Amino acid sequence: DVKVTQSSRYLVKRTGEKVFLECVQDMDHENMFWYRQDPGLGLRLIYFSYDVKMKEKGDIPEGYSVSREKKERFSLILESASTNQTSMYLCASSPLSGSSYNEQFFGPGTRLTVL
Amino acid sequence: AQSVTQPDIHITVSEGASLELRCNYSYGATPYLFWYVQSPGQGLQLLLKYFSGDTLVQGIKGFEAEFKRSQSSFNLRKPSVHWSDAAEYFCAGANFGNEKLTFGTGTRLTIIP
Repeated sequence: DVKVTQSSRYLVKRTGEKVFLECVQDMDHENMFWYRQDPGLGLRLIYFSYDVKMKEKGDIPEGYSVSREKKERFSLILESASTNQTSMYLCASSPLSGSSYNEQFFGPGTRLTVL
Repeated sequence: AQSVTQPDIHITVSEGASLELRCNYSYGATPYLFWYVQSPGQGLQLLLKYFSGDTLVQGIKGFEAEFKRSQSSFNLRKPSVHWSDAAEYFCAGANFGNEKLTFGTGTRLTIIP
């Protein structure tokens, strides 16, 4: 069965801390995504990776960076957390388009609170 | 610009009643379209998808959606809702060859007894 896991379901951090959110998929997918979800705004793409060590900015990359050293793992990094980064963070993966028509598989999410 | 619009923020229906959630898209060519559901505290689960062919698409949990090119719509329907259908529903779209999805802002569904 398809599986995307995220390292934490709930996380509380302080302003200025460096925060790592980890995502692992076991489907050998090429693409991995990080979204943030806020009420009334839906899902907004932060970063996207289509291969190891490759990344592309999404719609709202400011204040975030990512790392993909292995195909199955995609990390989201908040270099210096701020209160406006309090949100639900969702990771997703998908095979290359053309083989599965962009269907994305989602992890359960990490609810991050920055105090 | 490519976009997906869900005009209803919140919908309340009675258990056993029929349901229709609206989704409109704006793409240059026919996009791939998806409906996802998110139960409270969970990630998103794919309900159904449309790529081409038959414009009426069947999904899981008794849901279906109809692609209407003339109206640029892809509305989600269910003939009789159950209390377990209470969730948030997201419509999403993408062009062929584009790895990224564009999501609507979501519709929250409340079921009343």
